[in-house]
Amino acid sequence: NAGVMQNPRHLVRRRGQEARLRCSPMKGHSHVYWYRQLPEEGLKFMVYLQKENIIDESGMPKERFSAEFPKEGPSILRIQQVVRGDSAAYFCASSPLGRMDTGELFFGEGSRLTVL
Amino acid sequence: KNEVEQSPQNLTAQEGEFITINCSYSVGISALHWLQQHPGGGIVSLFMLSSGKKKHGRLIATINIQEKHSSLHITASHPRDSAVYICAVTYTGTASKLTFGTGTRLQVTL
Repeated sequence: NAGVMQNPRHLVRRRGQEARLRCSPMKGHSHVYWYRQLPEEGLKFMVYLQKENIIDESGMPKERFSAEFPKEGPSILRIQQVVRGDSAAYFCASSPLGRMDTGELFFGEGSRLTVL
Repeated sequence: KNEVEQSPQNLTAQEGEFITINCSYSVGISALHWLQQHPGGGIVSLFMLSSGKKKHGRLIATINIQEKHSSLHITASHPRDSAVYICAVTYTGTASKLTFGTGTRLQVTL
């Protein structure tokens, strides 16, 4: 019973390139959340998705960042034209319900993006 | 100003010591989580609390809803407890969104 799977675990990009981070939720979970952890800072909510829908993207930067969770396949967080300030760990979590107050939280191992 | 405050930010303890990490928040919550993150590692859920106290092995978590305060205690600390401990809350009415504290970095030495 695999947990939340994220890949790649580490990604290096040069300024101006695109980064794609993938998250496969736990089996039976249809709600996915993305968080960003900047160096020496706390985790910050980015976006909440349900299959084929963006429910809350209030934490997403207005430009260059997008997220999707298609009917089939993993959720993808896409960062276009990366800049050094995008270097961070990006974590994904999933839940069976659209709530984070019903029990244990399930996080992936994170994807660590380094922008050169 | 972060809405979830943790203290201390950094903590060094000797093996066997009793450790307390504190978390306070500003408005009503539906749940509070304690999480553990090892260096370069993923995030593991330790506890979810909405009231009272929970215990798992050497870890104890308490919450005082009236005081808007929670504590995580580690008894008989061990070097493998060295990690960042993060408090996260879901505010009442926004159950899909977590707000995180900045974490407490714990180092337990021999």
